[in-house]
Amino acid sequence: SAVISQKPSRDICQRGTSLTIQCQVDSQVTMMFWYRQQPGQSLTLIATANQGSEATYESGFVIDKFPISRPNLTFSTLTVSNMSPEDSSIYLCSVATGTHNEQFFGPGTRLTVL
Amino acid sequence: EDKVVQSPLSLVVHEGDTVTLNCSYEVTNFRSLLWYKQEKKAPTFLFMLTSSGIEKKSGRLSSILDKKELSSILNITATQTGDSAIYLCAVFVLGNTPLVFGKGTRLSVIA
Repeated sequence: SAVISQKPSRDICQRGTSLTIQCQVDSQVTMMFWYRQQPGQSLTLIATANQGSEATYESGFVIDKFPISRPNLTFSTLTVSNMSPEDSSIYLCSVATGTHNEQFFGPGTRLTVL
Repeated sequence: EDKVVQSPLSLVVHEGDTVTLNCSYEVTNFRSLLWYKQEKKAPTFLFMLTSSGIEKKSGRLSSILDKKELSSILNITATQTGDSAIYLCAVFVLGNTPLVFGKGTRLSVIA
């Protein structure tokens, strides 16, 4: 398994501001993902963070709103830009390892936008 | 489109009851099925199943895959309040793709 840390663990932000969430893994991993989980909902994949190239975004998510960096195989950031209350969610970083791509999750960032 | 469906969506039981959670899938190029438990923020890994008919067990939790029926069940015996959580089922398909998640089953165990 992989040990994943995320920061901040929680934040309360004002509408219109941006927040950058960091994800650090204790080993090099090829596949890293960012998920969102809105209150009462299941996990929704935002994007796959690709090392050395632009992230691959899922339908409904765009780079201008959720810019992602992946400078190396152990680190990634997700920025939530120009936030609105609808962005209040838990944001989770996840990595896939092993031949069966077992995915492990970071501890999550609970974001509240006022 | 790959799809994972879990049932029931929510369940309330009393301590000591046994529960069975269901997961069915329709995917191309199935590789493995995974179960997660989500209590507060992050899902924690429970089981990964790749072969039909082989039960995986961890304490009071067990799970089995039926590739013919394209489904899996997660059993929890002698439930405790600490089992209250969302249980997520996910499927891995071939290629460098993320897991396909179901919507989860919210289990509440009351004393």
